[in-house]
Amino acid sequence: NAGVTQTPKFRILKIGQSMTLQCTQDMNHNYMYWYRQDPGMGLKLIYYSVGAGITDKGEVPNGYNVSRSTTEDFPLRLELAAPSQTSVYFCASTEVPNTEAFFGQGTRLTVV
Amino acid sequence: EDQVTQSPEALRLQEGESSSLNCSYTVSGLRGLFWYRQDPGKGPEFLFTLYSAGEEKEKERLKATLTKKESFLHITAPKPEDSATYLCAVQAVANSNSGYALNFGKGTSLLVTP
Repeated sequence: NAGVTQTPKFRILKIGQSMTLQCTQDMNHNYMYWYRQDPGMGLKLIYYSVGAGITDKGEVPNGYNVSRSTTEDFPLRLELAAPSQTSVYFCASTEVPNTEAFFGQGTRLTVV
Repeated sequence: EDQVTQSPEALRLQEGESSSLNCSYTVSGLRGLFWYRQDPGKGPEFLFTLYSAGEEKEKERLKATLTKKESFLHITAPKPEDSATYLCAVQAVANSNSGYALNFGKGTSLLVTP
């Protein structure tokens, strides 16, 4: 029972490069979320999805894009990496609203 | 605007020394208050959900309580393995336009020494 799986675990990007953070869950959850966690700060919502084909912006969406073509996968795309995007990124899913969220192990991204 | 404030930022306890972590919140219609534990380099791990004032939940040495303005996470006779960052998060009625995403506090870093 894998839960929520994120890849890669670590990545260093140069300014202006692009990358996709992968997230997949095997619990058939409709709701999926991307958060970023900066030192000394609470997790901030980047994007969320309430089902396949439906995505929307969260609190800090600038510089990111998402897609949700299947229930299982919710990749996060960085098009032009900037130092401000240095952070730890967490993907999460819930079966229904107002229930426990399952988090992945995180992706630590450094932009230099 | 919804706000979640956790205190203290950091707490150091001796093994067996009980204490409490605080989470105060201001939201427009609370749907649920969540406690998570986060170990270094890992994702948050669910502990409890509380839905209404007066509710309490327990798990091993941890007990979570909820009032209309705050929640406490009581740790009884902690052990070194309880060392972690404890995150509080709320889900508000107003969050319905964000897929009911969680609004997190900054966390309390707990260190329990032998």
